Amino acid sequence: GAGVSQTPSNKVTEKGKYVELRCDPISGHTALYWYRQSLGQGPEFLIYFQGTGAADDSGLPNDRFFAVRPEGSVSTLKIQRTERGDSAVYLCASAKGGGRSYEQYFGPGTRLTVT
Amino acid sequence: AQRVTQPEKLLSVFKGAPVELKCNYSYSGSPELFWYVQYSRQRLQLLLRHISRESIKGFTADLNKGETSFHLKKPFAQEEDSAMYYCALRGDYKLSFGAGTTVTVRA
Repeated sequence: GAGVSQTPSNKVTEKGKYVELRCDPISGHTALYWYRQSLGQGPEFLIYFQGTGAADDSGLPNDRFFAVRPEGSVSTLKIQRTERGDSAVYLCASAKGGGRSYEQYFGPGTRLTVT
Repeated sequence: AQRVTQPEKLLSVFKGAPVELKCNYSYSGSPELFWYVQYSRQRLQLLLRHISRESIKGFTADLNKGETSFHLKKPFAQEEDSAMYYCALRGDYKLSFGAGTTVTVRA
């Protein structure tokens, strides 16, 4: 079956603009995670959804970042007033459930460049 | 807090030589430890997890709670092992990753 998909694969935007990054999880997966990977670093947790609700958004760096998952499937990460420091690869992962038993499957990522 | 340290950014070995990637962690509870691998132009994928205690592609990793380590080992490296390797820890549901080690296996 299809894996996790993310669109766009690359996004270049100007400082101050608004961007939306989309994640399509594996069908039937109730848990969805967003991570951010800056150059030379490992992925860092941003937010975790269980179904439609954000169970943990403690990793969002500030209030310019927001994510939704209105129907419990597709998720959108939204970044307002982008800054050059937001440049990174944004990874999405999904899992059958949110507990420790479930493997997280990663998407290919969206590379965001803020100029 | 969850923290994972991979002290080596780069590791270069010859084909057929042993390879060991170091990983140390910090966590107050009982963590799950993983190794993820990212081959060139591919997505991040799970290589192995400590609870399964299996060998994947010839790689093994043993959780040492006393030394808080989860080093990845392979006795005979192959060229196809060239990739980026990340050690990760999961306390409840979210993963915390180390900075990664780039492995290059030379012919």
